[in-house]
Amino acid sequence: TQLLEQSPQFLSIQEGENLTVYCNSSSVFSSLQWYRQEPGEGPVLLVTVVTGGEVKKLKRLTFQFGDARKDSSLHITAAQTGDTGLYLCAITDKLIFGTGTRLQVFP
Amino acid sequence: NAGVTQTPKFQVLKTGQSMTLQCAQDMNHEYMSWYRQDPGMGLRLIHYSVGAGITDQGEVPNGYNVSRSTTEDFPLRLLSAAPSQTSVYFCASSYRQGITEAFFGQGTRLTVV
Repeated sequence: TQLLEQSPQFLSIQEGENLTVYCNSSSVFSSLQWYRQEPGEGPVLLVTVVTGGEVKKLKRLTFQFGDARKDSSLHITAAQTGDTGLYLCAITDKLIFGTGTRLQVFP
Repeated sequence: NAGVTQTPKFQVLKTGQSMTLQCAQDMNHEYMSWYRQDPGMGLRLIHYSVGAGITDQGEVPNGYNVSRSTTEDFPLRLLSAAPSQTSVYFCASSYRQGITEAFFGQGTRLTVV
């Protein structure tokens, strides 16, 4: 049983569209991180959220940590081809990753 | 500053062979971990270490051994390779366990035939 479920599993959109990906768990966790992984590379940290209800922005990316600390979301505004990659959420305690959302942005 | 270095980058093994995947970091990080990533999937934690001399099992430890004799090195040993262990293996390190940033190596692509 996967501790962290991400949805959707795959997402294919055109440049300029908005999108949201989700990270859900049945457990409460103290903090959560989002990583992006490009083909042939290891994941790279995007953000860490630590407080229930917290919202963090990184340029066109908006991250939210659920009030109950059991879920998180990543919203991308006006997607670009450079956003293509695998987006992974992870609980920070042992850095256990979710199932991932593979995003493809077409020109 | 090299960060996290994994060797080899590619490896082909025959079923039943053993081998060691190397991981070294030069950032004086306490926490190190090994993951496997199967095609189109997320990363699954194999083993982790919170410091020299301390290791523990992750989500999928069977068939793998680790040791941590120094802060810098965290090798992963496959005892008797099986086709089910064909995967891409990533090593990661962070300053300590918890909310600190994890840095990943470039990965080792292992094929067991």
